[in-house]
Amino acid sequence: GNSVTQMEGPVTLSEEAFLTINCTYTATGYPSLFWYVQYPGEGLQLLLKATKADDKGSNKGFEATYRKETTSFHLEKGSVQVSDSAVYFCALLRNTGNQFYFGTGTSLTVIP
Amino acid sequence: DAGVIQSPRHEVTEMGQEVTLRCKPISGHDYLFWYRQTMMRGLELLIYFNNNVPIDDSGMPEDRFSAKMPNASFSTLKIQPSEPRDSAVYFCASSRQDRHTEAFFGQGTRLTVV
Repeated sequence: GNSVTQMEGPVTLSEEAFLTINCTYTATGYPSLFWYVQYPGEGLQLLLKATKADDKGSNKGFEATYRKETTSFHLEKGSVQVSDSAVYFCALLRNTGNQFYFGTGTSLTVIP
Repeated sequence: DAGVIQSPRHEVTEMGQEVTLRCKPISGHDYLFWYRQTMMRGLELLIYFNNNVPIDDSGMPEDRFSAKMPNASFSTLKIQPSEPRDSAVYFCASSRQDRHTEAFFGQGTRLTVV
């Protein structure tokens, strides 16, 4: 079947620290992969995406590379800011139909 | 485009009452999703539609929940009767028929059943 497994939180980092949130997936075929971010009191917003193997998605200093060999899509940022405090969701869209599969979310808190 | 619009943003109701949540998807999107988010269970897919037709409702918790999409620009999620354990944030999302395209989420409806 299709599923997404995400690193459990919560994660607490100091400002300017390096961030990694692990995400691995199980899917048939070649899904598209996404990272969403949810700020307090808001809906989920797309952060970045990658639609085929070896693609790198990037946005606002965040990056993730679609690794088919390890079925992973880890989220990284070199220097986090307080404003990055949010919940991050990894998701996949299978290549047939339009059903999205979301991970459980990882809460990130960045302290000054 | 204004994005996915949900109403109301907040709803407080008494146990046993009927609750109706509303969603207007982005114009031109073929798919509409209803999700429920709680601390305990995270983000759960309840049901999704393609071209106004329900495709998979296996996530609907029980018969008290029902969803409709009478046309391409409107969907409702109804809970009757409501119970305290239904308290959650309910999100609507829409997407195009394109395997490369993300889903766009509304701001959510925070439901509290007392």
